[in-house]
Amino acid sequence: SYVLTQPPSVSVAPGQTARMTCGGDNIGSKSVHWYQEKPGQAPVLVVYDDSDRPSGIPERFSGSNSGNTATLTISRVEAGDEADYYCQVWDSSSDPRVFGGGTKLTVL
Amino acid sequence: QVQLQESGPGLVKPSETLSLTCTISGGSVSSGSYYWSWIRQPPGKGLEWIGYTSYSGRANYNPSLKSRVTISVDTSKNQFSLKVTSVTAADTAVYYCARESVLPAIGPFDIWGQGTMVTVSS
Repeated sequence: SYVLTQPPSVSVAPGQTARMTCGGDNIGSKSVHWYQEKPGQAPVLVVYDDSDRPSGIPERFSGSNSGNTATLTISRVEAGDEADYYCQVWDSSSDPRVFGGGTKLTVL
Repeated sequence: QVQLQESGPGLVKPSETLSLTCTISGGSVSSGSYYWSWIRQPPGKGLEWIGYTSYSGRANYNPSLKSRVTISVDTSKNQFSLKVTSVTAADTAVYYCARESVLPAIGPFDIWGQGTMVTVSS
């Protein structure tokens, strides 16, 4: 089965740029989606199809995907961005959906 | 706008069957543009996809749960449901229902329910 690997934690100071990675075998050939989950709340889609943003998501959120790594970038980080972030893909080989283990973003 | 709402018992005994329902408002489960999924999150852990159903009842499941899971759709009630048999403490989790766009291609989970906590305990 397909595996997505995320670092457990990332820390960044307010106003700086946070980069969170999602590793997988040839993940660049897949569409990657990113979700933000705050404590006690349902996940929210923040980036889909590698780099597109749903309406209402700030332009500070962006994504990229190439080779074996996809990256979610948050520019000008704010305290309200502190959350867990999950990447997700569709494994076309057998049709399941796969989530990464999640990265906890801490705003210092 | 489309909203999803999970419902069902918050406490299930070991070896029994967990049953949850997701009710859709502001949209239709019969739309061919979406699949309807269940996703769970054990306390302190990450997200795990359980499976999906289409409006026609075509379903697919996470291989790790396939032997114990059934997801079904009821178009007359605009709902879809989850059953997990022979539950253990490892099935304790927040259970989410979610909508997945599938046209023009398999896409993200763009709408989620608020989630419901299910505890397996005697």
